[in-house]
Amino acid sequence: EDKVVQSPLSLVVHEGDTVTLNCSYEVTNFRSLLWYKQEKKAPTFLFMLTSSGIEKKSGRLSSILDKKELFSILNITATQTGDSAVYLCAVPANSGYALNFGKGTSLLVTP
Amino acid sequence: DGGITQSPKYLFRKEGQNVTLSCEQNLNHDAMYWYRQDPGQGLRLIYYSQIVNDFQKGDIAEGYSVSREKKESFPLTVTSAQKNPTAFYLCASSIGGTNYEQYFGPGTRLTVT
Repeated sequence: EDKVVQSPLSLVVHEGDTVTLNCSYEVTNFRSLLWYKQEKKAPTFLFMLTSSGIEKKSGRLSSILDKKELFSILNITATQTGDSAVYLCAVPANSGYALNFGKGTSLLVTP
Repeated sequence: DGGITQSPKYLFRKEGQNVTLSCEQNLNHDAMYWYRQDPGQGLRLIYYSQIVNDFQKGDIAEGYSVSREKKESFPLTVTSAQKNPTAFYLCASSIGGTNYEQYFGPGTRLTVT
């Protein structure tokens, strides 16, 4: 059975801190790994990773995949209160169509 | 503006009543999905559809039904057989094939009392 495990489940940091969120996975047929940010409503897409060791970057956010060790990390540097959200990690299901999501990491950035 | 709309935003129903949640997209996406989210949980797949007039059960399909008569629309009916229907429901769509990025609607929060 496919499995996606995120850690920590919740995190509280001060503005300006750097955070690292983790996502480990077990899937029968790995195709890619996706990160989403959810602020109360619709999850919004951040990154899709398919190749090991290649960092994807967008402003203060970056992510990297390790296909050998079956995990990915999402880094946020110089955190701001607007980064407060639930960060979701997902991998395509064995069927190749739907996504299997982890439970998410709830991040709270305090002023 | 292209996107996915869900209505209503909030829905209240009495136990024993069926209720239908709307999901419409104008992104010309082939695939559409319904997920359920409970507090502290990730998204769990209810149903998905790859093309019109075809859909498959997800991990938690019991007590739910869907239809896909048009490419743009994928309504979800929560039936009285669903034991614990109170939840946040998210609809998503994707181009399909090997493009796994899904676009989400704003969600419907359903409360059944």
